[in-house]
Amino acid sequence: DAEITQSPRHKITETGRQVTLACHQTWNHNNMFWYRQDLGHGLRLIHYSYGVQDTNKGEVSDGYSVSRSNTEDLPLTLESAASSQTSVYFCASSESGGGSYEQYFGPGTRLTVT
Amino acid sequence: AQSVTQLGSHVSVSEGALVLLRCNYSSSVPPYLFWYVQYPNQGLQLLLKYTSAATLVKGINGFEAEFKKSETSFHLTKPSAHMSDAAEYFCAVSQHNYGQNFVFGPGTRLSVLP
Repeated sequence: DAEITQSPRHKITETGRQVTLACHQTWNHNNMFWYRQDLGHGLRLIHYSYGVQDTNKGEVSDGYSVSRSNTEDLPLTLESAASSQTSVYFCASSESGGGSYEQYFGPGTRLTVT
Repeated sequence: AQSVTQLGSHVSVSEGALVLLRCNYSSSVPPYLFWYVQYPNQGLQLLLKYTSAATLVKGINGFEAEFKKSETSFHLTKPSAHMSDAAEYFCAVSQHNYGQNFVFGPGTRLSVLP
């Protein structure tokens, strides 16, 4: 069965360190998304990609970057981790074609920045 | 710009009682609307979606939602709550001419009392 996986599931890091969160999907979807989930804010979009070599900033992109070198993967990098980036991070993917397709979510990565 | 509001960050119902979770959206063009459920320590799972076909949409686990354009609402209902329905519920909106991104509401936590 197709799926979307994230690794690691839990990560503790120190302020100032670079951190990369992995996202891998086997749906063969063109669209991939990264969100952060914080209490009271729901899910907020960090970055998204509509295909290989395409990346775009979302609502809360400061301090984060992504790259898309193949269809399956969209790693999220925190260039210099800050305590404000302590959160649960979700990756999602969807088919391309106008917004009517649901997004499929990974299990999430809980990141703690100390 | 799109936005989603969910009235009530926390809703409690008794087992067997009606579940009603509210979602209102703002959108300048006809929207696509989604309800997702999140169980503890898991990713989001699609419950149902509205994509301009029937205004009453049936989903998984006995949930349904009705799109009401005049009220800009997409409320989620279930006739009889079960203990297993206890979870966080998110409403999301997308638009055909807004790329393929979602805007999520802040979520409603549903508690089911025995």
